[in-house]
Amino acid sequence: DPKIIQKPKYLVAVTGSEKILICEQYLGHNAMYWYRQSAKKPLEFMFSYSYQKLMDNQTASSRFQPQSSKKNHLDLQITALKPDDSATYFCASSQDAGGVYEQYFGPGTRLTVL
Amino acid sequence: GDSVTQTEGPVTVSESESLIINCTYSATSIAYPNLFWYVRYPGEGLQLLLKVITAGQKGSSRGFEATYNKETTSFHLQKASVQESDSAVYYCALGAFIASSSFSKLVFGQGTSLSVVP
Repeated sequence: DPKIIQKPKYLVAVTGSEKILICEQYLGHNAMYWYRQSAKKPLEFMFSYSYQKLMDNQTASSRFQPQSSKKNHLDLQITALKPDDSATYFCASSQDAGGVYEQYFGPGTRLTVL
Repeated sequence: GDSVTQTEGPVTVSESESLIINCTYSATSIAYPNLFWYVRYPGEGLQLLLKVITAGQKGSSRGFEATYNKETTSFHLQKASVQESDSAVYYCALGAFIASSSFSKLVFGQGTSLSVVP
């Protein structure tokens, strides 16, 4: 059974629209993260959450807003979408946030903005 | 800042031949970062392949090995004899410290696509 679920797997959006990427983890972890991988670039850290609190935000734009309704959920809302937002977005989780714990990744959501 | 550089792909290797994927790192936020190799098989998410948290130590998993070399700031991935099932994208990563939040993040290399052919 998948331990980290990301929905949808593929997403196509038009410029200017808003989308929400869903992430749920069933590992009992306390920390969750979002990473992004654009074409021909490394995975890039975006956000980290611990016990549903934002710990770090390394995205430059306020158009990206994580939302944590439950401890095992960390959705990503993206507003005013741009073609440059096209990327695969990965959710991850780890037992805790302190130190460097092993991070487990979901399968990703591939977003294409036209 | 922290960064990771690895062998540029795609890499094609014949089955049963040896493999090395180079990884070098630069760590400015943390003196002794933890080092990781992740793998992404076709259609699947990233999986941790191996990790080493102490300089000078070697990690191994599924026939793959990597040694944390602080002097050369390297963490090369090696396998003596590859199989077709090893075809995947391999990512080297380091654990970096975020001073503003006393937190950590992973910094990834660009990934190396490996194809193992019969």
